[in-house]
Amino acid sequence: DIQMTQSPSTLSASVGDRVTITCRASQSISSWLAWYQQKPGKAPNLLIYKASSLESGVPSRFSGSGSGTEFTLTISSLQPDDFATYYCQQYNSYPHTFGQGTKLEIK
Amino acid sequence: EVQLVESGGGLVQPGGSLRLSCAASGFTFSSYAMSWVRQAPGKGLEWVSGIVGSGGSTYYADSVKGRFTISRDNSKNTVYLQMNSLRAEDTAVYYCAKGGIPAAARISFDYWGQGTLVTVSS
Repeated sequence: DIQMTQSPSTLSASVGDRVTITCRASQSISSWLAWYQQKPGKAPNLLIYKASSLESGVPSRFSGSGSGTEFTLTISSLQPDDFATYYCQQYNSYPHTFGQGTKLEIK
Repeated sequence: EVQLVESGGGLVQPGGSLRLSCAASGFTFSSYAMSWVRQAPGKGLEWVSGIVGSGGSTYYADSVKGRFTISRDNSKNTVYLQMNSLRAEDTAVYYCAKGGIPAAARISFDYWGQGTLVTVSS
């Protein structure tokens, strides 16, 4: 199975900051990577698919990059609504494993 | 509007069984792969099982292989998760999720249900 490792596990930042979350795969997954945002008590919400494609309706301050084994999610200017937990997910092969999550907290 | 509505969760004793259902609407159900994803209390997301649009191929996480069975009824626009030999570590909110691209094997999940809580405890 492909293991997904996110870093950091927790990130403290302020409104307006630029933040980057990293996701590493244990083997190459080409560009078959998605990013999700989850708020407490809610289902996850798809932000980015195929490593860098922005899902419809998602603000343009979110962007994704990478291929192979290393990927990043960048939020260009944090807004109050962005404080949440973020997960990467590989879908190159089954099982479609998730990273352990990155909790983005208000500094 | 795409809607996914899970049902069937509840309290079950260790070793027991439960069947979850996910009723879908707002899209051509048979064209899309579907998955179940769970989240234990205070923990991260864990992909559990997936099924292609035709129902002809199914996939499982090692943690549930041999105990859980995914199926779908395209005439009822519903996907199921039959869970047997339940363990305390299966306690979680179970979400069904829709594949983002029709007829694709490699799928991210563009719509999710609200989740249904399964508690395994004596």
